Amino acid sequence: DTGVSQDPRHKITKRGQNVTFRCDPISEHNRLYWYRQTLGQGPEFLTYFQNEAQLEKSRLLSDRFSAERPKGSFSTLEIQRTEQGDSAMYLCASSLGQGTGNTNEQFFGPGTRLTVL
Amino acid sequence: AQKVTQAQTEISVVEKEDVTLDCVYETRDTTYYLFWYKQPPSGELVFLIRRNSFDEQNEISGRYSWNFQKSTSSFNFTITASQVVDSAVYFCALSEEETSGSRLTFGEGTQLTVNP
Repeated sequence: DTGVSQDPRHKITKRGQNVTFRCDPISEHNRLYWYRQTLGQGPEFLTYFQNEAQLEKSRLLSDRFSAERPKGSFSTLEIQRTEQGDSAMYLCASSLGQGTGNTNEQFFGPGTRLTVL
Repeated sequence: AQKVTQAQTEISVVEKEDVTLDCVYETRDTTYYLFWYKQPPSGELVFLIRRNSFDEQNEISGRYSWNFQKSTSSFNFTITASQVVDSAVYFCALSEEETSGSRLTFGEGTQLTVNP
């Protein structure tokens, strides 16, 4: 069984460019989450999906951020017109949601480290 | 609003010492879940334990134990006979199923260093 995978692992971009990250969750998991972690801080919630529906978005998710999970499997997170403040580790996690059991611990991927120059 | 506080930013111990990591949480929900995650230097968050708000039994797993006390809103984590491999950042997290979906709110983490 493979865990959560993320691609790319590292991304360096220039300010103003667009970037897209991909997350592949654990195959039987119906919930998928995106978090952002900056140095010395705990992860902060960005958004989550149950199947293909985006159920919640944090106020941290500005208009420049968009996430999709078109077929309820993998997800993409796009950041448009990147800013230096977007530099962070972007973490994806997946879990089994309500109705599929009593476990809702989230399993995390290795993250995508974004550096905006 | 939900909040998790890990007051200890850094802890340094010598191998074989016992160490307790503190976690205090705030929530208005009656149904919630508490978690501990480990983030080793490699960076990937590793799930350690999940506890729901109706289960105050303490839990032991090998050298790890957890003490959940609703009266003080605390969920502390103890490592017995620490080892160098325990060196990592440890995060406590809270999930309120009813009011905020299942997103996790993390504390700021405690950096544990176990010296040989």
